[in-house]
Amino acid sequence: DVKVTQSSRYLVKRTGEKVFLECVQDMDHENMFWYRQDPGLGLRLIYFSYDVKMKEKGDIPEGYSVSREKKERFSLILESASTNQTSMYLCASSSPFREGQYFGPGTRLTVT
Amino acid sequence: AQTVTQSQPEMSVQEAETVTLSCTYDTSENNYYLFWYKQPPSRQMILVIRQEAYKQQNATENRFSVNFQKAAKSFSLKISDSQLGDTAMYFCAFMVSGNTGKLIFGQGTTLQVKP
Repeated sequence: DVKVTQSSRYLVKRTGEKVFLECVQDMDHENMFWYRQDPGLGLRLIYFSYDVKMKEKGDIPEGYSVSREKKERFSLILESASTNQTSMYLCASSSPFREGQYFGPGTRLTVT
Repeated sequence: AQTVTQSQPEMSVQEAETVTLSCTYDTSENNYYLFWYKQPPSRQMILVIRQEAYKQQNATENRFSVNFQKAAKSFSLKISDSQLGDTAMYFCAFMVSGNTGKLIFGQGTTLQVKP
């Protein structure tokens, strides 16, 4: 079974802090994704990566950056956390495309 | 740009009955995939069922089936013999074939199965 893990289930940070969210997949998938999930808005794509060191902006990249130094690991970085970044963050991976994506358990981030 | 719309924010169904969740999408593409994902309370999102747009036959997975109407751009999910474990948020998602695997999600429908 594909396994996608995220470093934390719950995280509380202060405004202005730099925040790192880590995601690891164990199935050698080329593609990895970061979403945020908010009530009534569904999942919105922040960034995705289709190869090591490759990244593309999604629909809402402002305030975020990503890093993919190894194929199995994809990190989401909040350079200076703000209260409007309080949300559920989901990581996913996929290969091949037609099988859809496999999701991690999510990280509920609260910025105070 | 592609969009996915789930017009039912919340639904409920009695255990053992059948329920249908609606999803419509908008695209000018001809080759694409459609998915339904399930997110149980405080648990991981999992794939329920998928449909290739070039296939006319509706996909089925045990108690889950879809009604795919390509011309109407409609992709509804039918859950038969509903069980308490079906209580979850359900997301409809769209992916263009040959793309980087990006999914576009609907807003989600919260389904409550009542005993």
